Amino acid sequence: GNSVTQMEGPVTLSEEAFLTINCTYTATGYPSLFWYVQYPGEGLQLLLKATKADDKGSNKGFEATYRKETTSFHLEKGSVQVSDSAVYFCALQANAGGTSYGKLTFGQGTILTVHP
Amino acid sequence: NAGVMQNPRHLVRRRGQEARLRCSPMKGHSHVYWYRQLPEEGLKFMVYLQKENIIDESGMPKERFSAEFPKEGPSILRIQQVVRGDSAAYFCASSPPNRGYTYEQYFGPGTRLTVT
Repeated sequence: GNSVTQMEGPVTLSEEAFLTINCTYTATGYPSLFWYVQYPGEGLQLLLKATKADDKGSNKGFEATYRKETTSFHLEKGSVQVSDSAVYFCALQANAGGTSYGKLTFGQGTILTVHP
Repeated sequence: NAGVMQNPRHLVRRRGQEARLRCSPMKGHSHVYWYRQLPEEGLKFMVYLQKENIIDESGMPKERFSAEFPKEGPSILRIQQVVRGDSAAYFCASSPPNRGYTYEQYFGPGTRLTVT
């Protein structure tokens, strides 16, 4: 079945440091890939997505590139801020006939804490 | 445009009672998903519904759990005879009918169920 593996956390950084959160996946075919962010006490917000190989998703300074050869979708940001402190989830969605649909399969989440 | 609404936000039940969680999707969305987040874990898919139909219930426990999405009104996740292990955050997500080829899911704030 499909699965997503994220790097072990938590991750603690100083403000303006470079961030990488690793994500690898196992899936048949060509899934769509997502990063979601969850702030304390809130639901998940879609951060970025990529729907085919070599696509780069980007939003709010965060980027991730869909690498089919390494089955990875690592999240990066060049300079983190205190306000980026949250839990980050990598997820995939199955794709059939060119359409992504149905359930999301999530990684276990990575807690990011950024200190001033 | 209001987002996905869930209520109640917090629910306390004693062992053996019933819990009813409600989810109103975003306007124009006809697909609803329920996920459960156990403490210190990622989100696990439970069920995927369209109006009056269950599309995928592969993540639902076989007993005590049921879900519906009637023609009118919110989607309901029902847990009968709750046990302490049901304590978790339950998130609802909705997505529009075929928009492009990726069904992006938008999450509600969650219902935090505590079983005492």
